[in-house]
Amino acid sequence: EAGVVQSPRYKIIEKKQPVAFWCNPISGHNTLYWYRQNLGQGPELLIRYENEEAVDDSQLPKDRFSAERLKGVDSTLKIQPAELGDSAVYLCASSVRGGPETQYFGPGTRLLVL
Amino acid sequence: AQSVAQPEDQVNVAEGNPLTVKCTYSVSGNPYLFWYVQYPNRGLQFLLKYITGDNLVKGSYGFEAEFNKSQTSFHLKKPSALVSDSALYFCAVREKGNTPLVFGKGTRLSVIA
Repeated sequence: EAGVVQSPRYKIIEKKQPVAFWCNPISGHNTLYWYRQNLGQGPELLIRYENEEAVDDSQLPKDRFSAERLKGVDSTLKIQPAELGDSAVYLCASSVRGGPETQYFGPGTRLLVL
Repeated sequence: AQSVAQPEDQVNVAEGNPLTVKCTYSVSGNPYLFWYVQYPNRGLQFLLKYITGDNLVKGSYGFEAEFNKSQTSFHLKKPSALVSDSALYFCAVREKGNTPLVFGKGTRLSVIA
């Protein structure tokens, strides 16, 4: 069974530029999560989807971040414009559903904003 | 709100010796508890979880963890460490319902040959 797929793996951009990350969850997983992991820290949730509905986006900085999950499968996370402080690893995870279900993580996208 | 503490930034252990990585948590109700491991330039890999039932949970790669409700702890253990266990370990907790999974800051385990 294929795991969570993310692309790109690495991205270097200059501040004020836009950037987008893509995630393909494990087949059959209805719940999809985007996390941000700063250096030396644990992941922090940005947004959670149940199918195509964003059910928890309270930690998403909505002035510059946006996300979508069309058709309840793949998801895209966008930053526009990027700031220096956005440099981090962006992780996508999926689970069969919410609650106590185990979340399975992709390899992440490492973003460096110069 | 739920929280997790991993009091040790770094744990060093000799190969073949037992290892323990500590985790304490704070929730208002009953917790769901998880351990993940992260290797360099990789995502988080699930090791084990406690939902309910037996306080001793066995997971992947010979790891186990003990849920202690009175001490609000969920320490990760392995009887005999391998050099290949060297990695970053994260404890995480969520309360019942659809609350977010909250991660600790991580503990770097170094197993020395």
